[in-house]
Amino acid sequence: AQKVTQAQTEISVVEKEDVTLDCVYETRDTTYYLFWYKQPPSGELVFLIRRNSFDEQNEISGRYSWNFQKSTSSFNFTITASQVVDSAVYFCALTGWTGFQKLVFGTGTRLLVSP
Amino acid sequence: DSGVTQTPKHLITATGQRVTLRCSPRSGDLSVYWYQQSLDQGLQFLIQYYNGEERAKGNILERFSAQQFPDLHSELNLSSLELGDSALYFCASSAGLLGDTEAFFGQGTRLTVV
Repeated sequence: AQKVTQAQTEISVVEKEDVTLDCVYETRDTTYYLFWYKQPPSGELVFLIRRNSFDEQNEISGRYSWNFQKSTSSFNFTITASQVVDSAVYFCALTGWTGFQKLVFGTGTRLLVSP
Repeated sequence: DSGVTQTPKHLITATGQRVTLRCSPRSGDLSVYWYQQSLDQGLQFLIQYYNGEERAKGNILERFSAQQFPDLHSELNLSSLELGDSALYFCASSAGLLGDTEAFFGQGTRLTVV
């Protein structure tokens, strides 16, 4: 079975701090994909990144960066110099060969960035 | 704007009633997914359609049904509603298999059963 664990329920930081959101996954598939989505207070789910299991290169997009480590089954997300607009719930998700039709989501991490 | 449109945005109805949630996928996307987000269950996959055919089922109750029409829009029908069905229902679409592509989500329909 596939499972995604986001152990951090809520994180509070002050603006300009760096923050890392943890994501640990479980799957028996050798081919799988990992995702991060953002859910701001308005409620919609916004796609942030997709990464396949064969690509362990870290990725940076502006203030966002992702660290994928197969050895520890982790796909962590770091926001550098956080801003108030980063306040949201962030979800890590997984799909794999046995279920490419669905995303398995973690429980989410609520990030509160205060000015 | 993800390009996925869901209507209505909010719905308040009584127990025992039936409602229909509508989703228009992004232009060109053949796959449509329905998810339920509740406080106790989190984000749960309900069902997936690809080009009009049901392809995968998740934790969807028998009281719930869905379909995808020839124009690719989809509807989720919820009947004999219970208080516990109150949740945010998301529709998502993708061009192909998840992984090859990502899923883009609509803004959701917030259903309140009173």
